[in-house]
Amino acid sequence: DQQVKQNSPSLSVQEGRISILNCDYTNSMFDYFLWYKKYPAEGPTFLISISSIKDKNEDGRFTVFLNKSAKHLSLHIVPSQPGDSAVYFCAASPTTSGTYKYIFGTGTRLKVLA
Amino acid sequence: KAGVTQTPRYLIKTRGQQVTLSCSPISGHRSVSWYQQTPGQGLQFLFEYFSETQRNKGNFPGRFSGRQFSNSRSEMNVSTLELGDSALYLCASSLPQDRGVYNEQFFGPGTRLTVL
Repeated sequence: DQQVKQNSPSLSVQEGRISILNCDYTNSMFDYFLWYKKYPAEGPTFLISISSIKDKNEDGRFTVFLNKSAKHLSLHIVPSQPGDSAVYFCAASPTTSGTYKYIFGTGTRLKVLA
Repeated sequence: KAGVTQTPRYLIKTRGQQVTLSCSPISGHRSVSWYQQTPGQGLQFLFEYFSETQRNKGNFPGRFSGRQFSNSRSEMNVSTLELGDSALYLCASSLPQDRGVYNEQFFGPGTRLTVL
């Protein structure tokens, strides 16, 4: 049972335009959400996170939106750059004190076309 | 500051063998988590160690085990390898998580295990 779902396995966007990556979750106990970016032959690198007490968090070109009622989060990249081409994973953490048990989605491969 | 290192980077084994993977966390990080990444499955949580104790475990069979040493280095072991164990195994380290305070996990480059 996939508790965190990224239904789009791939996405292509023109350079300079907005990239929107989506993620849905099923467990209402999740209270912390993260996005990671992964290049080939490298481990995932942290991008941005959001706590369930917020509905938006912004960091430069990256903004994450959280809709708790819909159990949906999205990552917006504006403007998209060719270097953003990578696989993006969303992850969620259940309300578990003191442990790291992030549940990851299956990833979305973003390709930014020059 | 050196990042998370994992050894070996690539490994080829045959069915029935066992394998041990190693992870050295970032200096000062005492929490180490292991994940398995396979195509179509994303990253699946294996287990997390903190101060030499396993704090949490994912839904993997008992063939998957791990340990953490006093210097926070961690190893994971897979016994009686199966073809389906072929995957990228990722290790992540972080500062201890306090209630309500989430610290970022830093991932290593992974060990690519191929089971023939």
